[in-house]
Amino acid sequence: EVQILETGGGLVKPGGSLRLSCATSGFNFNDYFMNWVRQAPGKGLEWVAQIRNKNYNYATYYAESLEGRVTISRDDSKSSVYLQVSSLRAEDTAIYYCTSHFAYWGQGTLVTVSS
Amino acid sequence: DVVMTQTPVSLSVSLGGQVSISCRSSQSLVHNNGNTYLSWYLQKPGQSPQLLIYKVSNRFSGISDRFSGSGSGTDFTLKISRVEPDDLGVYYCGQGTQYPNTFGAGTKLELK
Repeated sequence: EVQILETGGGLVKPGGSLRLSCATSGFNFNDYFMNWVRQAPGKGLEWVAQIRNKNYNYATYYAESLEGRVTISRDDSKSSVYLQVSSLRAEDTAIYYCTSHFAYWGQGTLVTVSS
Repeated sequence: DVVMTQTPVSLSVSLGGQVSISCRSSQSLVHNNGNTYLSWYLQKPGQSPQLLIYKVSNRFSGISDRFSGSGSGTDFTLKISRVEPDDLGVYYCGQGTQYPNTFGAGTKLELK
């Protein structure tokens, strides 16, 4: 059974930082590109970042709205992916989903940016 | 960025009925490798999105054949036949051909 579990969300003040983690099991993690997608309250889906697998030299891609403030990384030995987000703004408030190239999705972790 | 335009915004259907959702992209979604990375997702209330269709017309594992995808280039359609209560929610199209990957704004499927 595929399992994807995001952790690390919470309440953070504007200008603060967070590191989101995504632990996976049940599929061949090394074969997949991994993505973070977010969803602001009551809104649609917004792609945030992607990290490719070893075959593609772990290339990374970011949404322009977040570029410079986010870093995606992965640890194949732990079947895990991470998202470091800094200089957080109110508009970054959202559920952040981890997804194995959009095939499998976690339940998300809520990030709330508020003073 | 590739803009994905979904229509309609919402749709009412009777159980057992059939519906179609349209998704148009601002640029061709044909990748240099010849594949077209257009997918469809369903987000049920209170849940995370789930993949229904990938590369235009391929049903993901475990997805009913009541769901079918078609289209090419910039114009795509999702059809749902014999609608069941579990089909209700918000449907999104998404493209993975170009960066940034982008999604449509969603189509909410409700019961009539």
